[in-house]
Amino acid sequence: EADIYQTPRYLVIGTGKKITLECSQTMGHDKMYWYQQDPGMELHLIHYSYGVNSTEKGDLSSESTVSRIRTEHFPLTLESARPSHTSQYLCASSSWGREWQYFGPGTRLTVT
Amino acid sequence: TQLLEQSPQFLSIQEGENLTVYCNSSSVFSSLQWYRQEPGEGPVLLVTVVTGGEVKKLKRLTFQFGDARKDSSLHITAAQPGDTGLYLCAGVAADKLIFGTGTRLQVFP
Repeated sequence: EADIYQTPRYLVIGTGKKITLECSQTMGHDKMYWYQQDPGMELHLIHYSYGVNSTEKGDLSSESTVSRIRTEHFPLTLESARPSHTSQYLCASSSWGREWQYFGPGTRLTVT
Repeated sequence: TQLLEQSPQFLSIQEGENLTVYCNSSSVFSSLQWYRQEPGEGPVLLVTVVTGGEVKKLKRLTFQFGDARKDSSLHITAAQPGDTGLYLCAGVAADKLIFGTGTRLQVFP
C-alpha cells in the first residue's frame, strides 16, 4: 500500500506570506519529487531529491525551495507567495530500480 | 526539450462507446507509463510499457507502445462513467518522468 501524505490539502493565502507545503511518505523511498500542475494540465517537475541532503531543481523554474533532512520528509517552501504561484502542487516518491512514482493527493494553493 | 503530445485534449462520450487516446513524441523513451488522475487527487499508475511493440491489457483498457518507443496509445472498450478522469502518459528519461499534455475524458451515463 502506497502511503504518501500532503498537508494542507487546500491553502488560501495573501501575497507576501511565507508558506511551507508538507510531504511525507512511509515507504522508505529514497527518491522524492515535487510537481506543479495547473488544472487539467500536464505535470511539471520543479524539484527532486535522490536521498537525504540531496536536492535538485527540475525542468520548470520555480521560486520555491526544498529540503531533505529525513528520508521520509520533503517539504517545499515559498518565502514570499505571489498570485503567480497559484497552482496545484503534487509530491511523489519512488524507489531505486522502479521507475513509476506514487503520488500524494496534492495541495491546491491559491494566493490572493 | 522532450515533449509528449497527447490527443485528443478533451473527449466526451456516452457510456458503452470505444475510444483511443494517443501519446506522441519525437524522442525515444526507455519506457512509458500511463496514469489516471481524478479531480482533487494525484495521478495513479495504470501501466508501464517497456518493449517496443508491447501490448498490455488491463480489463477494458489496452495499452500499446510503438515499435520505435516514441509513441503509445490507450484504447478503452465500452467506456463507463467510472473511466472519467485525466489520462496522462509519461516517458522515462534520465530517471525522471516527462509527462504528456493530458487527455480529459468524460463518460456520460
